[in-house]
Amino acid sequence: GAGVSQSPSNKVTEKGKDVELRCDPISGHTALYWYRQRLGQGLEFLIYFQGNSAPDKSGLPSDRFSAERTGESVSTLTIQRTQQEDSAVYLCASSRAGGTYNEQFFGPGTRLTVL
Amino acid sequence: DQQVKQNSPSLSVQEGRISILNCDYTNSMFDYFLWYKKYPAEGPTFLISISSIKDKNEDGRFTVFLNKSAKHLSLHIVPSQPGDSAVYFCAAIQGAQKLVFGQGTRLTINP
Repeated sequence: GAGVSQSPSNKVTEKGKDVELRCDPISGHTALYWYRQRLGQGLEFLIYFQGNSAPDKSGLPSDRFSAERTGESVSTLTIQRTQQEDSAVYLCASSRAGGTYNEQFFGPGTRLTVL
Repeated sequence: DQQVKQNSPSLSVQEGRISILNCDYTNSMFDYFLWYKKYPAEGPTFLISISSIKDKNEDGRFTVFLNKSAKHLSLHIVPSQPGDSAVYFCAAIQGAQKLVFGQGTRLTINP
């Protein structure tokens, strides 16, 4: 497809379980970002990849959160031992390159609900 | 520490009138400011941006104004159309690519 895709679109899990969220960026986009939006809030930055390295992980809220990226392709955000406060929409974005401003294109998000 | 703030959670405007969405920021080092529009169940889409060295940028019905001394920017939509009903996010960026977003303003255009 032409845009950023994310899967699953919705995920309901029980507290304490691990979840994996997937992002497929636009082909050729070297930069990839994860954000989350909790109810009634703006988007919070989580992590930024340039290629498969992550120069900025400053937004990851705890060590239960981790992310990987394979080359300049798919990224996976993993949340271990989920808590109710992890419930949010997790958004992925990609752009052509890091270093200077390039427009970020967002996927539709994964809505995570932790019961 | 909320570096980008949108103090109006919602705004209702009559079709054909001007919509003005406001945003304040605290970090004077931001290089670019952007507005994103978001429909339900979709990701945000880029609308318009402005460099910190400019004070105005216009694109069709959309104009963004930047007042650096007041650390304030605004988005003007004129004339407003029903399809403009969405949540609008103000965002800022400094150096590396991390976008810092405001909380969003839900704009409703009434026929």
